[in-house]
Amino acid sequence: ELKVEQNPLFLSMQEGKNYTIYCNYSTTSDRLYWYRQDPGKSLESLFVLLSNGAVKQEGRLMASLDTKARLSTLHITAAVHDLSATYFCAVGDNNDMRFGAGTRLTVKP
Amino acid sequence: ETGVTQTPRHLVMGMTNKKSLKCEQHLGHNAMYWYKQSAKKPLELMFVYSLEERVENNSVPSRFSPECPNSSHLFLHLHTLQPEDSALYLCASSQGRTRGVDTQYFGPGTRLTVL
Repeated sequence: ELKVEQNPLFLSMQEGKNYTIYCNYSTTSDRLYWYRQDPGKSLESLFVLLSNGAVKQEGRLMASLDTKARLSTLHITAAVHDLSATYFCAVGDNNDMRFGAGTRLTVKP
Repeated sequence: ETGVTQTPRHLVMGMTNKKSLKCEQHLGHNAMYWYKQSAKKPLELMFVYSLEERVENNSVPSRFSPECPNSSHLFLHLHTLQPEDSALYLCASSQGRTRGVDTQYFGPGTRLTVL
């Protein structure tokens, strides 16, 4: 069974600081997705990582994928308040797609 | 309208009521999904439709009944729900027929409260 674990589940950080969210999964997969969800809103696709070693960056967010370690990271650089949201990773293969529990990020001034 | 839309956005119903949630996608996608998002639980897939054919039902109670009349519309019919069914119900669509392959695009959700 495909399982996805994110950590931390809650993250409070100050503006300007860097931090990393981790996503571990249990079976071989080469498709990993990161989504963002603002309070009361739907999920917005951020990144799709399709191969080992893939790295994608958008603004202050950078996502990477290590399929051998079954690990993806979402790195936040010089956080700003607008990044406060819940971030989900999701792992897919041809038969299944599972979401992590989400990391609720709060960026404080 | 663009993307994935859902109506209503909020719904309060009693346990004996019958109601329906509606989802419409304007992306020309071939697959549509219903998810349940509860507090303190990961997103749970409920139903998948690919080209209007249901391809998966993850042991969802029969009080939830999906309907997909065409590739752009998806309904979730609700009857005799329980208070623990209160949650945010999200609809999503994707281009391809295989669930784990393509990015899913989500609607805004319906916040359901069962009294």
